[in-house]
Amino acid sequence: NAGVTQTPKFQVLKTGQSMTLQCAQDMNHNSMYWYRQDPGMGLRLIYYSASEGTTDKGEVPNGYNVSRLNKREFSLRLESAAPSQTSVYFCASSEVRLGRATDTQYFGPGTRLTVL
Amino acid sequence: GENVEQHPSTLSVQEGDSAVIKCTYSDSASNYFPWYKQELGKRPQLIIDIRSNVGEKKDQRIAVTLNKTAKHFSLHITETQPEDSAVYFCAASIESGGGNKLTFGTGTQLKVEL
Repeated sequence: NAGVTQTPKFQVLKTGQSMTLQCAQDMNHNSMYWYRQDPGMGLRLIYYSASEGTTDKGEVPNGYNVSRLNKREFSLRLESAAPSQTSVYFCASSEVRLGRATDTQYFGPGTRLTVL
Repeated sequence: GENVEQHPSTLSVQEGDSAVIKCTYSDSASNYFPWYKQELGKRPQLIIDIRSNVGEKKDQRIAVTLNKTAKHFSLHITETQPEDSAVYFCAASIESGGGNKLTFGTGTQLKVEL
């Protein structure tokens, strides 16, 4: 049971390049999330997927797109990377049970992205 | 949307002393308040959480209190140890009809000195 996994661990891009960050969980969780973490700003929600087949914007969605490929996988795409997107990206998942949408979120190890 | 403020941003204590971190939130509809610990270069990990139907929760040396009227909640760590040194984040959750949209505070760097 690996929990939440993310690839790659590190990435350097040039401005304008595109890339996809991958996330997978093996806990059979319904909901998945993408956060970015910047110094002094905590974690901010980019997009989330409450269940397979649905996605919604979070606090800072501009410049990103997501795909909930299946129940296990949730990817984050940067179409045209900008230096402002230099950050550490965390994926998380949680189990949402009927009538209780406040369960623990489990985080992946993170992807450290630098955009030059 | 929800706004979570966290204080202090840095906290230094002597080993064995207590540490208190405070957070306030803006949306009275928030009903779930987790605390995460993040060691340098690692992922955030849940250490304790509280739901709005209780006022206090304790787990060994860690406790969290919630004041819904004042919209603030606090993390208390007693008998601090060097391994408690890390960044601590509070968060609040708003129901969204599915999923669990957490709004995080900006973090507290706790340093436990020998």
